[in-house]
Amino acid sequence: TQLLEQSPQFLSIQEGENLTVYCNSSSVFSSLQWYRQEPGEGPVLLVTVVTGGEVKKLKRLTFQFGDARKDSSLHITAAQPGDTGLYLCAGAPTSNTGKLIFGQGTTLQVKP
Amino acid sequence: EAQVTQNPRYLITVTGKKLTVTCSQNMNHEYMSWYRQDPGLGLRQIYYSMNVEVTDKGDVPEGYKVSRKEKRNFPLILESPSPNQTSLYFCASSLRPLGVQPQHFGDGTRLSIL
Repeated sequence: TQLLEQSPQFLSIQEGENLTVYCNSSSVFSSLQWYRQEPGEGPVLLVTVVTGGEVKKLKRLTFQFGDARKDSSLHITAAQPGDTGLYLCAGAPTSNTGKLIFGQGTTLQVKP
Repeated sequence: EAQVTQNPRYLITVTGKKLTVTCSQNMNHEYMSWYRQDPGLGLRQIYYSMNVEVTDKGDVPEGYKVSRKEKRNFPLILESPSPNQTSLYFCASSLRPLGVQPQHFGDGTRLSIL
């Protein structure tokens, strides 16, 4: 079974600080997605990265896919209280287009 | 409005009493999937379906059944629920099987098996 190790699991920071969340695996993924989940709701897709080395930006959020397509990172610049939530990475194995492997999630709290 | 609808949202039941969680999507999506979410474990895939009458096991299929008789519906069946199936369950759909397709998630079903 392929695994995605996501770190840190919990992060509590002050408004305005920067942070990075990591997703690592020993396996190659055909693509990797980042989701954000609010309490009482399902995850909502933020971004999909497909190409090794790819970087995508979504306002203050920067997503990167590792060159070998085994890892990814999410960097938030100048975090805001509205960024508070659960962030999940999810990888699609190269061998099976039906499966999706999720990391354990990172709970982010941004204090005003 | 495009959505994935799960029912019920909450259910408390007892060990061994068969239950079904329904999932319906109105987006004509081919792919549907069920996940369970447990603290510290993220989401784990239970079953998925690439299209009508095509279903496959995810990483944690034991104790669950699914069916895909029509495109819009993908019910999750627990024939004999046990306490270790207490969890938060999510149904999701995407236009095509995974890769670059975004998954649309329902709002979740919280199951408590006593």
